[in-house]
Amino acid sequence: SQKIEQNSEALNIQEGKTATLTCNYTNYSPAYLQWYRQDPGRGPVFLLLIRENEKEKRKERLKVTFDTTLKQSLFHITASQPADSATYLCALVDPSGGSYIPTFGRGTSLIVHP
Amino acid sequence: SAVISQKPSRDICQRGTSLTIQCQVDSQVTMMFWYRQQPGQSLTLIATANQGSEATYESGFVIDKFPISRPNLTFSTLTVSNMSPEDSSIYLCSVVQGGGEPQHFGDGTRLSIL
Repeated sequence: SQKIEQNSEALNIQEGKTATLTCNYTNYSPAYLQWYRQDPGRGPVFLLLIRENEKEKRKERLKVTFDTTLKQSLFHITASQPADSATYLCALVDPSGGSYIPTFGRGTSLIVHP
Repeated sequence: SAVISQKPSRDICQRGTSLTIQCQVDSQVTMMFWYRQQPGQSLTLIATANQGSEATYESGFVIDKFPISRPNLTFSTLTVSNMSPEDSSIYLCSVVQGGGEPQHFGDGTRLSIL
């Protein structure tokens, strides 16, 4: 069966460190992968998109990698700040079934301690 | 990016009643979607709201329970009918400007059924 797995346990890190979040998938052939941030009581906000032929994408302090062999994406936040504390969701778009609607993982909660 | 307003932001309802959630976008969009998010769970797609025609429902969701309207390119409603405590959840509207584009979400409607 198809699965998208993100760490269900919260990631606690110290301010200034790099946070690394993982998204693993099974039985998908994603054309691209998206990362979203969700704050309590708010809807998800799009952060980055990476395509299957891209190894890495950067935006300011954010970096996403995509390894289609390992079936994994890593999401990095460098020089993390308490304001980065939120839940981060990965979402896959696999058009092999005829749809470009993303399928979301459960998300990983990140807590950055001052 | 599109600005999405969802109403109501929260509600507490009695078992057996129905509630209609509204989603208004500040610009015309190609696609509108309705999601459900239960605590600790991933976003689950309920349906794609199609302008001028019946919504396209995902497996496990039916029109009688979740009737959807989309009278134009900027507005949609989702009704949760004959509610039971199992319908307690956050309901989110999202939009996409074009095929393959990231989704933009409203802040959701937090629904509790007593």
